[in-house]
Amino acid sequence: KNEVEQSPQNLTAQEGEFITINCSYSVGISALHWLQQHPGGGIVSLFMLSSGKKKHGRLIATINIQEKHSSLHITASHPRDSAVYICAAPNYGGSQGNLIFGKGTKLSVKP
Amino acid sequence: GAVVSQHPSRVICKSGTSVKIECRSLDFQATTMFWYRQFPKQSLMLMATSNEGSKATYEQGVEKDKFLINHASLTLSTLTVTSAHPEDSSFYICSARSRGLAADTQYFGPGTRLTVL
Repeated sequence: KNEVEQSPQNLTAQEGEFITINCSYSVGISALHWLQQHPGGGIVSLFMLSSGKKKHGRLIATINIQEKHSSLHITASHPRDSAVYICAAPNYGGSQGNLIFGKGTKLSVKP
Repeated sequence: GAVVSQHPSRVICKSGTSVKIECRSLDFQATTMFWYRQFPKQSLMLMATSNEGSKATYEQGVEKDKFLINHASLTLSTLTVTSAHPEDSSFYICSARSRGLAADTQYFGPGTRLTVL
């Protein structure tokens, strides 16, 4: 079973700061998900990546398959980025490839 | 990218009633759908996996007679919480995967907030 660890658990930043959230997993995978969950609960899928780096607007996700580590970066953070960010990795050996989720990183960006 | 919708986004019901949550893949055929549940301040946890046209596979500790899952078409899966109780209040999320895609590829619905009074 894959173990997914995220850090930090909570993160407070000032508007404009560069944010990094880390995710490590124990079993080699071919793809990792980053999700954003807003205070109301809605889930938005940010990235699904299997190698290198992906960028979408101010969000950048990187993954190092050999080191079993991924990072989510937010450049020029804004209060609207305040949310819980969750990484998820496949649970090989589980139900047909379901995902194991990290506990999430709660980000608060202050104006 | 692929879009998955859920309906309703929020539902409040009385204890003892049943609630149906729909999960639809809007622009692809979802051969497999996953249902997850998230209690406050906890991670999402898999409840069950459903394949189109066959019975769902439930995770240990999830009552199949209480959480009825139907995946009757390639674009729709439903989760019915029967005889709901306040402890069933949670955030329910579905994800969908298409045939031919890697096992890691899943697209998430936005979730449904269930509150049982």
